[in-house]
Amino acid sequence: GQQVMQIPQYQHVQEGEDFTTYCNSSTTLSNIQWYKQRPGGHPVFLIQLVKSGEVKKQKRLTFQFGEAKKNSSLHITATQTTDVGTYFCAGVNRDDKIIFGKGTRLHILP
Amino acid sequence: DSGVTQTPKHLITATGQRVTLRCSPRSGDLSVYWYQQSLDQGLQFLIQYYNGEERAKGNILERFSAQQFPDLHSELNLSSLELGDSALYFCASSFLWTGSYNEQFFGPGTRLTVL
Repeated sequence: GQQVMQIPQYQHVQEGEDFTTYCNSSTTLSNIQWYKQRPGGHPVFLIQLVKSGEVKKQKRLTFQFGEAKKNSSLHITATQTTDVGTYFCAGVNRDDKIIFGKGTRLHILP
Repeated sequence: DSGVTQTPKHLITATGQRVTLRCSPRSGDLSVYWYQQSLDQGLQFLIQYYNGEERAKGNILERFSAQQFPDLHSELNLSSLELGDSALYFCASSFLWTGSYNEQFFGPGTRLTVL
């Protein structure tokens, strides 16, 4: 069946370093969403990308959707302690099924 | 606070039992989604309802069922519970359905423990 792979599973970075998580789908997606879940919390929507090659920025966060609409990335510049949490991508296929990646857990070292 | 409410917050039960989880979507949202989150499997999409009708189905077991009522609240029924069903169950809501701009708002979750 359709899979959405997300790497890395865990990432430790020093505060101030950059961080990137990657998401790859086995099939073409209609759109992709990104969520953040703080420890002990619930997922919170960050953004949705719809167009091939789309790039969106939210302050220090940059989201990209691949040309083939099968991969995506989230890049955080100059991480801060508030960035701690698990980042999930969620691919939506043409049948409107949403498939979450397993997430990348980000730890920030002070 | 996302505006999505879920009850109960915690549920402890025994194998073989049946439980019902309840979700009230944000005011005005028509779509409700159910997810299961366990440590090793991440977030698994179970099922989606839109305005009372089933819209999309994910990896939902036959022992599980859900419905969305006329007032748009939803219930997830889990029966013949097994130890492996222990997980955090999230409900999310959105105004529209997936395929268009569709921000999902997650509730705080129900933690189910099956002993």
